[in-house]
Amino acid sequence: AQSVTQLGSHVSVSEGALVLLRCNYSSSVPPYLFWYVQYPNQGLQLLLKYTSAATLVKGINGFEAEFKKSETSFHLTKPSAHMSDAAEYFCAVSFSGGYQKVTFGIGTKLQVIP
Amino acid sequence: DVKVTQSSRYLVKRTGEKVFLECVQDMDHENMFWYRQDPGLGLRLIYFSYDVKMKEKGDIPEGYSVSREKKERFSLILESASTNQTSMYLCASSAPGQTFYSNQPQHFGDGTRLSIL
Repeated sequence: AQSVTQLGSHVSVSEGALVLLRCNYSSSVPPYLFWYVQYPNQGLQLLLKYTSAATLVKGINGFEAEFKKSETSFHLTKPSAHMSDAAEYFCAVSFSGGYQKVTFGIGTKLQVIP
Repeated sequence: DVKVTQSSRYLVKRTGEKVFLECVQDMDHENMFWYRQDPGLGLRLIYFSYDVKMKEKGDIPEGYSVSREKKERFSLILESASTNQTSMYLCASSAPGQTFYSNQPQHFGDGTRLSIL
């Protein structure tokens, strides 16, 4: 069965500092991996996705994530945090076949301190 | 842009009531999903549908049912609402993969915050 673990339900960074949100997955077959962002009182929006084309994936708003098969990780990074990055971030995993069922992590709330 | 619209942002109902949550998408997507979101638990899949009149149980279907009579509309039904169903409900849709091995992101509505008193 597939699963995803997000380490740290709350992360605080200073404005301008590096953002690192951790995600590890478990899947018996090659996975597809996603990062979504949720701003207050809104639904989730896609930040980026990994579908085996390239291990370093660039997304919107300056975020990127690197797929590391040996570590079963897909951590999300941004070189310099902005106040507008304060939101909740969800890692998600799916796998080829089936009906597009996706398993989400529990989410990480990012706080950006001025 | 894909638009997924949930009929209510906030809803207050009483225990025992039959509750309908409606979701409409405008991108002709085959796949539609209902999740509930609770603090510390993330998103949990209730039901999903990959075609009109087709439905599959997700991880927590108990106490819920769904209806998909038209491709663009997916309804979640709480047969007899209970206080433990107080939650944020999110609807999503996605296109099918172009090939067996591809995958498509999900597009979400803004959610319905449901309170059962």
